[in-house]
Amino acid sequence: EVQLVESGGGLVQPGGSLRLSCAASGFTFSSYEMNWVRQAPGKGLEWVSYISSSGSTIYYADSVKGRFTISRDNAKNSLYLQMNSLRAEDTAVYYCARGPTGFDYWGQGTLVTVSS
Amino acid sequence: NFMLTQPHSVSESPGKTVTISCTRSSGSIASNYVQWYQQRPGSAPTTVIYEDNQRPSGVPDRFSGSIDSSSNSASLTISGLKTEDEADYYCQSYDSSILWVFGGGTKLTVL
Repeated sequence: EVQLVESGGGLVQPGGSLRLSCAASGFTFSSYEMNWVRQAPGKGLEWVSYISSSGSTIYYADSVKGRFTISRDNAKNSLYLQMNSLRAEDTAVYYCARGPTGFDYWGQGTLVTVSS
Repeated sequence: NFMLTQPHSVSESPGKTVTISCTRSSGSIASNYVQWYQQRPGSAPTTVIYEDNQRPSGVPDRFSGSIDSSSNSASLTISGLKTEDEADYYCQSYDSSILWVFGGGTKLTVL
């Protein structure tokens, strides 16, 4: 069974940093492209970042470019999102999601709250 | 660049059929696959349709997807509505220039 389990969310002050993790199991993690997708409270879904299976190709949404860094460790079956210079508008549930052009499996999400 | 536009909300009675539209603002809807996700309150999204009209295993055949080039839109149709289908539904597509884009979501009420 495919499982994606996010962790690392919490309350952080504006300008602060946070690192999210996503532990994958039930499939060959190193063969799959992965993404981060977020959802602000009461709002819709927003794609955040993509990483290829090898980690050699990375994309970011304009809203996070230059502040967030996606990475993966295929030996540990893990996906990461380093978030720096956080803003109030980054407050959201962050999901890791598997897939190239669509997202076939999603984690349960981790809540990031940016507030003073 | 393009946007995907969905109705904010739809409602229908149990046992009936409902269709949710997803209209692409520019470029052809047929250019890139469309996916549909169901999100029940307090839960993560799950895929109900991928690649325009394919159903993942475990998704009932009451769910179907299609695209219509004349209206440049994709549609999610749910037949034999059940109260458990009450959820938010999002369409999503991909384009090499703007990458991954979601529709704004449609709240389905089954009353």
